[in-house]
Amino acid sequence: KAGVTQTPRYLIKTRGQQVTLSCSPISGHRSVSWYQQTPGQGLQFLFEYFSETQRNKGNFPGRFSGRQFSNSRSEMNVSTLELGDSALYLCASSEQGTSNQPQHFGDGTRLSIL
Amino acid sequence: GQSLEQPSEVTAVEGAIVQINCTYQTSGFYGLSWYQQHDGGAPTFLSYNALDGLEETGRFSSFLSRSDSYGYLLLQELQMKDSASYFCAHGNTGKLIFGQGTTLQVKP
Repeated sequence: KAGVTQTPRYLIKTRGQQVTLSCSPISGHRSVSWYQQTPGQGLQFLFEYFSETQRNKGNFPGRFSGRQFSNSRSEMNVSTLELGDSALYLCASSEQGTSNQPQHFGDGTRLSIL
Repeated sequence: GQSLEQPSEVTAVEGAIVQINCTYQTSGFYGLSWYQQHDGGAPTFLSYNALDGLEETGRFSSFLSRSDSYGYLLLQELQMKDSASYFCAHGNTGKLIFGQGTTLQVKP
């Protein structure tokens, strides 16, 4: 089985722009979660989608949004980019998103804001 | 709120045993997970404890005490490739709350 695939791997943007990141989960996995990782704040939960519905949301401003398609692929969007949005964005998938199921992470998208 | 505390750094020598502790505060308990992340890589799942006691997976073991809100990851027969960051995490419905991570440095 192919793992979780995130595209692009690297991205450079400037302040005020917007960006869309893509995540393809493991086949058969219906839960897709997004995390932001920075040296200062560590790994922080952004949101989780299950069957095309946002089921859980972290404490991020409304500039951060996402969606999930019928094939479970997910995208996240960040609008009006700020310098502080520079981070590694990780996507993880699991079958149902329950606590006893491990989350499988992609290699992430490293976003740099100039 | 929910929080997980773990040491920021641990150093050990090749072949030794190391224990990484994690204490947590949560509003509801859904088990404690452990993930490993090498520099520049993706976090990978190591272990999960829902009940008190020890779970063993090869050289790695994880322990949980729900009454003490405490768990640990035990790494035996350390190898150089075990140098990485280790995170304890808690959560449900696809939402994991992570500790700040423990950087393990294995020295020859």
